[in-house]
Amino acid sequence: DSGVTQTPKHLITATGQRVTLRCSPRSGDLSVYWYQQSLDQGLQFLIQYYNGEERAKGNILERFSAQQFPDLHSELNLSSLELGDSALYFCASSVSISTDTQYFGPGTRLTVL
Amino acid sequence: DQQVKQNSPSLSVQEGRISILNCDYTNSMFDYFLWYKKYPAEGPTFLISISSIKDKNEDGRFTVFLNKSAKHLSLHIVPSQPGDSAVYFCAAVTGANNLFFGTGTRLTVIP
Repeated sequence: DSGVTQTPKHLITATGQRVTLRCSPRSGDLSVYWYQQSLDQGLQFLIQYYNGEERAKGNILERFSAQQFPDLHSELNLSSLELGDSALYFCASSVSISTDTQYFGPGTRLTVL
Repeated sequence: DQQVKQNSPSLSVQEGRISILNCDYTNSMFDYFLWYKKYPAEGPTFLISISSIKDKNEDGRFTVFLNKSAKHLSLHIVPSQPGDSAVYFCAAVTGANNLFFGTGTRLTVIP
């Protein structure tokens, strides 16, 4: 157990719907990262938050958004879902903005039907 | 507890020499293993993988060795180049496609 928790573990939904994935970082970690792991794209960095503020943006679609709350947990919102959004979504946390050591959560498996 | 561990947070190697990055795991049911490379401000990119039924996989300058009895894998980079300087993550995959990541090792190749 890395100390990073993600809920839900599995999510099955339909095209056009909206879902929210939740991540709680390790105690003391201020930085949260979101990644998408799909079969054809590999691991894609989506976005990073540090202490409530967006710090870096990767290949995140406009239909996706994220935020980090004062208690440092983060949510990734995916809307107007498409079949291609089916993937594993990982959250990772680290102590500071640029710490190399990242602790990954177990992931949320999203299936869009 | 972490199922995949990278116990060395950092490693420095002279250009042209061999870099060896290590990874240990606890779950004997992992199906295959991957190495990712990450540059600052970018997401990790896939580097090389190895199936649990093999003990070695080679791709150019990169070779991954798997020692199942020791639950240990290593990534060898020969010869190391300054452009190899990055953070390297190892990851392990179960049959149910659950993915577990190590915490990363920063490799610095000194010119």
